[in-house]
Amino acid sequence: NAGVTQTPKFRILKIGQSMTLQCTQDMNHNYMYWYRQDPGMGLKLIYYSVGAGITDKGEVPNGYNVSRSTTEDFPLRLELAAPSQTSVYFCASSYRGSPKRAGELFFGEGSRLTVL
Amino acid sequence: AQTVTQSQPEMSVQEAETVTLSCTYDTSESDYYLFWYKQPPSRQMILVIRQEAYKQQNATENRFSVNFQKAAKSFSLKISDSQLGDAAMYFCAYRSLEGAQKLVFGQGTRLTINP
Repeated sequence: NAGVTQTPKFRILKIGQSMTLQCTQDMNHNYMYWYRQDPGMGLKLIYYSVGAGITDKGEVPNGYNVSRSTTEDFPLRLELAAPSQTSVYFCASSYRGSPKRAGELFFGEGSRLTVL
Repeated sequence: AQTVTQSQPEMSVQEAETVTLSCTYDTSESDYYLFWYKQPPSRQMILVIRQEAYKQQNATENRFSVNFQKAAKSFSLKISDSQLGDAAMYFCAYRSLEGAQKLVFGQGTRLTINP
């Protein structure tokens, strides 16, 4: 299995440009998440989805949009890129845990985005 | 909202020695999961160990073990017989069993292994 696949791995944007980070998982997971990691910091949740057609904001959603039209795909859209969005972005997925068990998150390899 | 705190930005240890990384968290929930993730320079997030809150027994994975103190809301990671390959950022994380079961991360601890 490929697991969680993110593209692109690296990207440089100019201020004001837009782009989409792609995320695909082949594990039939219900839950998918987008995190950002600033240098030397932990991961912060941008958006998440509990299933196709259902998305919601996380801790730092401003400047981003998501969609979940299929179970497999969860793209993250950056509109009007700003230097503050320079970061490493991680997509993750997991199955829906039972009341007594929530499994681990499976992470993609990350996408490094630089906005100049 | 849950929070996770790692109070040690950096730690170092001699190769083959033992090191303990600290983590505290805040929650009003009674059931949850706790994790330690390792992030080497490759940026990949690697699961090291997990602990279910309803289990009293501390989790162990080879050289990695945790000290889970539920009442104190403390979750430390002990690495025995440290190896050069253990050098990385280590993140403590809390996962709720409710709603979207989001994962909340601490700020991380950078571990250096001295040969």
